Amino acid sequence: DQQVKQNSPSLSVQEGRISILNCDYTNSMFDYFLWYKKYPAEGPTFLISISSIKDKNEDGRFTVFLNKSAKHLSLHIVPSQPGDSAVYFCAASARTGFQKLVFGTGTRLLVSP
Amino acid sequence: EADIYQTPRYLVIGTGKKITLECSQTMGHDKMYWYQQDPGMELHLIHYSYGVNSTEKGDLSSESTVSRIRTEHFPLTLESARPSHTSQYLCASGFGGHNQPQHFGDGTRLSIL
Repeated sequence: DQQVKQNSPSLSVQEGRISILNCDYTNSMFDYFLWYKKYPAEGPTFLISISSIKDKNEDGRFTVFLNKSAKHLSLHIVPSQPGDSAVYFCAASARTGFQKLVFGTGTRLLVSP
Repeated sequence: EADIYQTPRYLVIGTGKKITLECSQTMGHDKMYWYQQDPGMELHLIHYSYGVNSTEKGDLSSESTVSRIRTEHFPLTLESARPSHTSQYLCASGFGGHNQPQHFGDGTRLSIL
């Protein structure tokens, strides 16, 4: 049973527009959420994270929003650039136990010029 | 930028061979992890370590074994490779606290013939 779900396998956006990537989770014990970006033939690169005590975290062009009641988070990229084209993974962890990361299946973002 | 290195990047080898995938990090991280990822799927945790001489199995059952004799080194071994072991193996490391991201290497893509 997948605890972290990314229901959109792919997303296409034009350069300069906003990209919105979505992620849903089912485990109410999750309290730390991360986004990773992965280029082909490379490992995932940490992008941005958010703790459950916040509902928004911003870093440059990247903003993550957390809606705890809906168990939903989203990553906004504004403005989108062709270099943002990659697979984006959502991940979550809980404070209890080993605090392991649970990953979604990823969303492939394509930003066209 | 995270400094975590995996070798080899690609390995094609015959059934029955013993394989060791290397992972080293220079950040002094206590925790290290091995993930397995098949195309289009999420990352699955197969092994993790709290520190030297600590190893634990992850969520996904794996026939591989790991060792942690030095803080910076976390190799993964398959005693007798089989075609079912064909996958991408990703190593990660991080500091011990909660709300800390894991940093990934570029992975080893393993193909067993």
